[in-house]
Amino acid sequence: GAVVSQHPSRVICKSGTSVKIECRSLDFQATTMFWYRQFPKQSLMLMATSNEGSKATYEQGVEKDKFLINHASLTLSTLTVTSAHPEDSSFYICSAEEGGAPIGTDTQYFGPGTRLTVL
Amino acid sequence: KQEVTQIPAALSVPEGENLVLNCSFTDSAIYNLQWFRQDPGKGLTSLLLIQSSQREQTSGRLNASLDKSSGRSTLYIAASQPGDSATYLCAVRPFEAAGNKLTFGGGTRVLVKP
Repeated sequence: GAVVSQHPSRVICKSGTSVKIECRSLDFQATTMFWYRQFPKQSLMLMATSNEGSKATYEQGVEKDKFLINHASLTLSTLTVTSAHPEDSSFYICSAEEGGAPIGTDTQYFGPGTRLTVL
Repeated sequence: KQEVTQIPAALSVPEGENLVLNCSFTDSAIYNLQWFRQDPGKGLTSLLLIQSSQREQTSGRLNASLDKSSGRSTLYIAASQPGDSATYLCAVRPFEAAGNKLTFGGGTRVLVKP
């Protein structure tokens, strides 16, 4: 089956530093990737939709300059948390949608998540 | 704006008992509804996907129903096992021609006691 990986799985950083999280589709081409954020014991909140070769579309309330998204290839999207602060600590999950699949089919595959802790 | 609610937020049952998890959504114009399982600190595993034209889907001990007009879906897990302990999330996809943006419910944390 389709596999989506994320790297790193866990990262601890100091306040003010930037952190890059990678999302890769391992055995399929993903024209669209989604980035979610999940606080403890809460649900997933969509942050942005990332399309290969174009600018990401951010959800309302998500700072695009804070959360930089790059979808440079059909198998890789990156989320960079710039000048991270403790309130950015969260679980970040990506998902990837296989290109060319019929609309409405179950083609969105989720990564294992990245736990970010900002000290 | 679509809102998805899951009740109860947490559920604890003895092994062998059937589980009933509820999901409600405010906008009935959905394309499909999906149930996921999430283990602590892990990503999501898709369990069942129900298209808007369908009433239910089954996979092994799992059965999910959909009543689009009333904005409800129910996930039934028969003869629960300790390995079923996890958080279960439902998510709806809006009725749009393109894109696959999902709106998630808050989840139900399930504990099956041996």
